[in-house]
Amino acid sequence: AQSVTQLDSQVPVFEEAPVELRCNYSSSVSVYLFWYVQYPNQGLQLLLKYLSGSTLVESINGFEAEFNKSQTSFHLRKPSVHISDTAEYFCAVWIGGADGLTFGKGTHLIIQP
Amino acid sequence: DAGVTQSPTHLIKTRGQQVTLRCSPKSGHDTVSWYQQALGQGPQFIFQYYEEEERQRGNFPDRFSGHQFPNYSSELNVNALLLGDSALYLCASSWARSGYNEQFFGPGTRLTVL
Repeated sequence: AQSVTQLDSQVPVFEEAPVELRCNYSSSVSVYLFWYVQYPNQGLQLLLKYLSGSTLVESINGFEAEFNKSQTSFHLRKPSVHISDTAEYFCAVWIGGADGLTFGKGTHLIIQP
Repeated sequence: DAGVTQSPTHLIKTRGQQVTLRCSPKSGHDTVSWYQQALGQGPQFIFQYYEEEERQRGNFPDRFSGHQFPNYSSELNVNALLLGDSALYLCASSWARSGYNEQFFGPGTRLTVL
């Protein structure tokens, strides 16, 4: 069975500083990878996804993630964070044939002014 | 284009009661999945409905059941509520032929069991 590990439950960072949110997965088969963001009292919004092809994927709001098969990682990065990026970030995997996504426990990104 | 909608927004029940949560998928989607998100945790997959039938199921007891209607909307029913059922229940919709299960989530229903 697949699993997702987000080692950092909270990541505090100053505004305009860079940030990396770590995600590692475990699976014996190929996976599709996703990052979702959850703002307070809201549902999940898809931030970006890796399906195939280029291992570096980008979102429209400046986030990027790189798929590293050898390290089974899909870390999320942003070169300069804004106060509006304060949210909970979830990494998720999906394997073909499964119906549900498997999520990590989430990382709370805290932006300090 | 309306996204995924869920009702009600909040719900308070007592132990032993039964609850029904509702979900309307995003336009063009035919598949609905349900997740339970306990406080401070990531969402956990309950089950998925496609063509009005339950497909795979996560590690949840039979107290959790569901239904999908011909218009693709879905209900989640939980019987004999326990305190531990308190959580945010998320509905997600997708298109079965997309091939990679990209799921769009609704805002959730916050269930509190007293």
